Amino acid sequence: DAKTTQPPSMDCAEGRAANLPCNHSTISGNEYVYWYRQIHSQGPQYIIHGLKNNETNEMASLIITEDRKSSTLILPHATLRDTAVYYCIVRSSGTYKYIFGTGTRLKVLA
Amino acid sequence: ETGVTQSPTHLIKTRGQQVTLRCSSQSGHNTVSWYQQALGQGPQFIFQYYREEENGRGNFPPRFSGLQFPNYSSELNVNALELDDSALYLCASSLELAGGRPGDTQYFGPGTRLTVL
Repeated sequence: DAKTTQPPSMDCAEGRAANLPCNHSTISGNEYVYWYRQIHSQGPQYIIHGLKNNETNEMASLIITEDRKSSTLILPHATLRDTAVYYCIVRSSGTYKYIFGTGTRLKVLA
Repeated sequence: ETGVTQSPTHLIKTRGQQVTLRCSSQSGHNTVSWYQQALGQGPQFIFQYYREEENGRGNFPPRFSGLQFPNYSSELNVNALELDDSALYLCASSLELAGGRPGDTQYFGPGTRLTVL
């Protein structure tokens, strides 16, 4: 599975969009990009995933660049409850494990 | 709410003891994975079970073992506990896909916090 690189921390004002970048320059064609978040000592929460196309659900949007070497998770209107560690993971379909990095610690400020 | 539950929530053991952690996932989730998360680190994959058989293993010694049962519950057993085993232990389940293979999206439980003294 490809490695990912994320900034260690980011701040965002409440009500503004939070844009969390992830670099996965060695991603291969069959690898998906997954995003999870973990709120203090709870289990990671699934947010969204995608392969090539941009994806949107009720929680967030995922923008994947055309060359697939990077992606951005967008929380459109961040709230204080979005304060968490956000993990970007790439994995092949059918492989059995996620490889987590250290993630981005997002702090939403009032 | 992922439908994945874990017990106990917290546990304190002493070095050398054995521990069993439990996980219960929802119907149809035939795959369960276990992760160890040390303080300040991302989760580390321990192993995965699919249809009650081990389906892959991370870089953990044999004293970490598991079982999966037909009722969508599973166990993680750790023998000869060491101080470094202190961590949050997470289980994650995924739905079986059509054609009989493990689903890719994993849904995590709240974790069990193990402290080894």
